[in-house]
Amino acid sequence: DIQMTQSPPSLSASLGETVSIECRASEDIYSNLAWYQQKSGKSPQLLIYYASSLQDGVPSRFSGSGSGTQYSLKISGMQPEDEGVYYCLQGSKYPPTFGSGTKLEIK
Amino acid sequence: EVQLQESGPGLVKPSQSLSLTCSVTGYSITSNYWGWIRKFPGNKMEWIGHISYSGSTSYNPSLKSRISITRDTSKNQFFLQLNSVTTEDTATYYCASAKRYWDFAYWGQGTLVTVSS
Repeated sequence: DIQMTQSPPSLSASLGETVSIECRASEDIYSNLAWYQQKSGKSPQLLIYYASSLQDGVPSRFSGSGSGTQYSLKISGMQPEDEGVYYCLQGSKYPPTFGSGTKLEIK
Repeated sequence: EVQLQESGPGLVKPSQSLSLTCSVTGYSITSNYWGWIRKFPGNKMEWIGHISYSGSTSYNPSLKSRISITRDTSKNQFFLQLNSVTTEDTATYYCASAKRYWDFAYWGQGTLVTVSS
């Protein structure tokens, strides 16, 4: 299975701060990567697919980048509603595998 | 609007089978991929498997000997059966829909399944 190493495990950010979360794959995943946000008590929500494509309805402060084995999610201007746990998911090879999650909180 | 709803018992005894139903409205399960994902206590997420628009299935090799995903297109539902459960199968189970089998745009609300005697 492809291993997804996600960092940091947790993060605290001030309102308006820019935040980055990283995922590193154990092999090239050719941008077949999605980012999800899960708020407390809710189901995950798709933010980004194909590493950098913004899902419909997702605020433009969310962006994704990367290639090969290294990918990142950026939030440009932290908002209170952005608190939650963020996951990456690779879809290059079966089985799809998740990162371990990053818990993001407001400072 | 696409909506998914999981249903099934919240408590299962060890060695028994876990059976869940995902009822879908607003979209036909003969399009897209329809998957099961679970979240363990402590945030770890695991893809369990899916059934495709054509009815073909793919399973996580870590569970392959114990799981079955089927569907009823007349009711627009798909199902998960996980056999020989242990306490390590305790998790919140989600059903979800994806265009490319990994970009899950629609999710159910999740159902907590506890394995305990």
